Amino acid sequence: NAGVTQTPKFQVLKTGQSMTLQCAQDMNHNSMYWYRQDPGMGLRLIYYSASEGTTDKGEVPNGYNVSRLNKREFSLRLESAAPSQTSVYFCASSDADTNYGYTFGSGTRLTVV
Amino acid sequence: QKEVEQDPGPLSVPEGAIVSLNCTYSNSAFQYFMWYRQYSRKGPELLMYTYSSGNKEDGRFTAQVDKSSKYISLFIRDSQPSDSATYLCAMKGAGGTSYGKLTFGQGTILTVHP
Repeated sequence: NAGVTQTPKFQVLKTGQSMTLQCAQDMNHNSMYWYRQDPGMGLRLIYYSASEGTTDKGEVPNGYNVSRLNKREFSLRLESAAPSQTSVYFCASSDADTNYGYTFGSGTRLTVV
Repeated sequence: QKEVEQDPGPLSVPEGAIVSLNCTYSNSAFQYFMWYRQYSRKGPELLMYTYSSGNKEDGRFTAQVDKSSKYISLFIRDSQPSDSATYLCAMKGAGGTSYGKLTFGQGTILTVHP
């Protein structure tokens, strides 16, 4: 099925551990995004990549890094996880020329203990 | 103050009711307005899309945009239990640094009970 695929779906980390969230899309979209979703806060943009080879900070980038590996893949790395990073993480993609919004993945539920 | 404000609810209605969901915004550069529906433990999916002011209808759903008031609405007629979800408004400008990037509301949790 065409769309955005995120792995893993669930993860529990200990404080200080590192991990990488993977995202891949097969719609030939230029732009990709990482969001976190917390109760009462809505979706907050962490990082985005307008096109292959470029990345930019969003609203809440601290504690995260990203890599746009190629046009299909955009990964999010937590170098030293903190309990405040417990959240649901969504990857999304869009055609940079469209105004029709994003296609989202199904999310990664991360708990940091 | 957030750029986009949305009442988080929760909103509980009986089956068959008309539901009104609303967002206000402060950035006059926003020109594209969307509503996403998010079922529990799923990613958001695009439900409705409108450009500038006006109405758009799709089956039981109607989206309205009033740019003069910086106010958008989503109406659901004859609501069904399957409409139970979180509804997020989203909007973007036409160019510049906001190009391609959506700004989301907090989401409204809707429950339609039989």
